[in-house]
Amino acid sequence: DIQMTQSPSSVSASVGDRVTITCRASQDISRWLAWYQQKPGKAPKVLIYAASSLQSGVPSRFSGRGSGTEFTLTISSLQPEDFATYYCQQANSFPVTFGPGTKVDIK
Amino acid sequence: QITLKESGPALVKPTQTLTLTCTFSGFSLSTNGVGVGWIRQPPGKALEWLALIYWDDDRRYSPSLKSRLTITKDTSKNQVVLTMTNMDPVDTATYYCAQRGMRMATFFDSWGQGALVTVSS
Repeated sequence: DIQMTQSPSSVSASVGDRVTITCRASQDISRWLAWYQQKPGKAPKVLIYAASSLQSGVPSRFSGRGSGTEFTLTISSLQPEDFATYYCQQANSFPVTFGPGTKVDIK
Repeated sequence: QITLKESGPALVKPTQTLTLTCTFSGFSLSTNGVGVGWIRQPPGKALEWLALIYWDDDRRYSPSLKSRLTITKDTSKNQVVLTMTNMDPVDTATYYCAQRGMRMATFFDSWGQGALVTVSS
């Protein structure tokens, strides 16, 4: 199985801050990576797929980069509605695996 | 508009079999490339993928749970059913079904609201 790790596990930030989350895969997954946002008590929502493609309807302050084994999700200017937990997911091979999550909370 | 909704028992006893149904609308599971998957999330923990069924009835399972899982579809009813045998308290989680869109890889574009399943005697 491909193992996914994320750093940091949590980050405290203020509205307007630039936040970057890193996801690493235990082997090369090309660009087969997605990022999801999950708010408490809600289902995850896809933000980015194929490493850098913005899902329809997702604000442009979210961006993704990377390929191979290292990927980043950046929120360019944190908004109040962005406080949530973020998960990466590899889709290169089965079993599909998710990262452990990064919680973004209010500083 | 794509919607998915999970249904099933909220409480099961240890050793029992769990049957969850995902009822969806807004897409067809007979469309090339489309799939429906199941993902679970224990309270306070991360997401764990369980199973996926494709439009052509190809099925994939988590290796660690494969012996306990069965995924099936009823295209005419727009439903996907997941059964998990020999339930244990560690299987307590919110179970989500999600749509795999028509992209080249398995990304989950739309999710159901989730169904909390508690395993307890």
